[in-house]
Amino acid sequence: NAGVTQTPKFQVLKTGQSMTLQCAQDMNHEYMSWYRQDPGMGLRLIHYSVGAGITDQGEVPNGYNVSRSTTEDFPLRLLSAAPSQTSVYFCASSNSTDPNGQYFGPGTRLLVL
Amino acid sequence: SQKIEQNSEALNIQEGKTATLTCNYTNYSPAYLQWYRQDPGRGPVFLLLIRENEKEKRKERLKVTFDTTLKQSLFHITASQPADSATYLCAPGRGSYIPTFGRGTSLIVHP
Repeated sequence: NAGVTQTPKFQVLKTGQSMTLQCAQDMNHEYMSWYRQDPGMGLRLIHYSVGAGITDQGEVPNGYNVSRSTTEDFPLRLLSAAPSQTSVYFCASSNSTDPNGQYFGPGTRLLVL
Repeated sequence: SQKIEQNSEALNIQEGKTATLTCNYTNYSPAYLQWYRQDPGRGPVFLLLIRENEKEKRKERLKVTFDTTLKQSLFHITASQPADSATYLCAPGRGSYIPTFGRGTSLIVHP
């Protein structure tokens, strides 16, 4: 199993550009989520999904869109990038009945100029 | 709103000692609490989960306690080693296994 994979590893954007951060898991997990991690702020939940076709907002959803058309994939779209979205983005997955916590991907480091 | 507090100052200890990290929460009644380890440049890795009806849980050199009256969880690493140096995150939650994360405490174990 590859676990949770994220692409790209690093990206530089200009203000106003759009892009999609990819996330995939091969563990057949129901739950998937996106976090951003900023220095001194910890991990903050952006959006999450409890199954294919179901998504919901987390703590900091503004400026981001998600969709969950398959169990495996959960892409995060930045509609119009802003410098405030410079951060490290982590995707995670878990099962509703699995007490082994969330499995995190390696992260995408995003710089918006 | 719910608040999760972990000591922002790094914890420095000598190899072989027991490290104790604290997680306090307010305006929240979590049904479980998870602890994660995060190394620089990497995603968090799950370590332990403790439920509200459990007082203590152990896994090898790790021990977690959960006091719902004090609204606090303590995370202990016994016989600490330099390889235990990392940031440790607590994550209480209810319902689904998508918890809320604290900011983490950095642990530095000196040889």
